[in-house]
Amino acid sequence: AQSVTQLGSHVSVSEGALVLLRCNYSSSVPPYLFWYVQYPNQGLQLLLKYTTGATLVKGINGFEAEFKKSETSFHLTKPSAHMSDAAEYFCAVSDLNNDYKLSFGAGTTVTVRA
Amino acid sequence: NAGVTQTPKFRVLKTGQSMTLLCAQDMNHEYMYWYRQDPGMGLRLIHYSVGEGTTAKGEVPDGYNVSRLKKQNFLLGLESAAPSQTSVYFCASSLDRGTDTQYFGPGTRLTVL
Repeated sequence: AQSVTQLGSHVSVSEGALVLLRCNYSSSVPPYLFWYVQYPNQGLQLLLKYTTGATLVKGINGFEAEFKKSETSFHLTKPSAHMSDAAEYFCAVSDLNNDYKLSFGAGTTVTVRA
Repeated sequence: NAGVTQTPKFRVLKTGQSMTLLCAQDMNHEYMYWYRQDPGMGLRLIHYSVGEGTTAKGEVPDGYNVSRLKKQNFLLGLESAAPSQTSVYFCASSLDRGTDTQYFGPGTRLTVL
């Protein structure tokens, strides 16, 4: 069965600093990988996704993630944090064996210090 | 386009009461989903639908029922609410499965006393 582990439930960064959110997955077949963001009191919206092809994926708001098969990882980064990046971030995986249903990680809450 | 809307936004129930949550989408999506979000557990799939008239169980279906009589609507029912069903419920829709983006509603915060 597929699963997702997000390392660190809370991350605090200074404005302008690197944002790094870690995600590891388990899947016995090629996965599709997603990062979603949830702003306070809102639903989730897609940041970026990996399906096939280029392993470095760029998303909205300056975020990017790299699929590393050998490490079963899909870490999310942003070079310079902005106050508006304060939110909860979810990594998710889907694959053929689970009928392409999404499995979500527990989430990482990002706070940005001025 | 309104996207995905959910009704109501908040609700408080007493144990044993019933209620229905309504999800509507105007994107002509085939797939619709109901999730619950609990602290530290991410989102868990309750039920989903792959088209009008179809429903299927997700990861945590017990205590819930669903119906998809019209393509644009997906209803989630609680027949006899329990405190363990206190949660935030999200509806989502997608054009297809697999690589397709899921679009989420704003959520319904349900408290069962």
